[in-house]
Amino acid sequence: SQKIEQNSEALNIQEGKTATLTCNYTNYSPAYLQWYRQDPGRGPVFLLLIRENEKEKRKERLKVTFDTTLKQSLFHITASQPADSATYLCALLGSSNTGKLIFGQGTTLQVKP
Amino acid sequence: DAGVIQSPRHEVTEMGQEVTLRCKPISGHNSLFWYRQTMMRGLELLIYFNNNVPIDDSGMPEDRFSAKMPNASFSTLKIQPSEPRDSAVYFCASSLAWGVGELFFGEGSRLTVL
Repeated sequence: SQKIEQNSEALNIQEGKTATLTCNYTNYSPAYLQWYRQDPGRGPVFLLLIRENEKEKRKERLKVTFDTTLKQSLFHITASQPADSATYLCALLGSSNTGKLIFGQGTTLQVKP
Repeated sequence: DAGVIQSPRHEVTEMGQEVTLRCKPISGHNSLFWYRQTMMRGLELLIYFNNNVPIDDSGMPEDRFSAKMPNASFSTLKIQPSEPRDSAVYFCASSLAWGVGELFFGEGSRLTVL
């Protein structure tokens, strides 16, 4: 069956360190993968999109990698700040381009000052 | 731009009552999505529309759920009759085109069915 897996346990790190979040998937051949941020009581907000033919994408302190062989994406936040504390969701679009964007359960990041 | 607008933000109702959730997508966006979020199951896709036409409703849990998009600027998700297990946050999202790019989410409608 198709699955998208993110670490269910919260990730706690110290301010200034790099946070690395993982998204693994099975039985998908995604045309692209997206990362979203969700704050408590709010809707998810888009951060980055990476296509299947791209290895890495950067935006300010954010970096996403996409390994279609390992079926894994890594999401990095460098020089993390307490304001980065939130839940981060990965989402996949199937390569059949059905238009369906399926989300993982999300990983909660807590950055301590 | 106002973003995706959902109403009501909070709804508390009793089992058996009809619930209608509303969504106004971003102007010019052609695709609209309804998701449901719970702690147990995360963010689940219920149904999505392209150019006001339902494309895939395989995520709709039961016949008690229905969704419509009568025009490009309005969609509803209806639950009739509601049950306690329907309690969740329901999100509407829109995107510029089908299968392309980011989704813009509303702030959600928190439904509690007693």
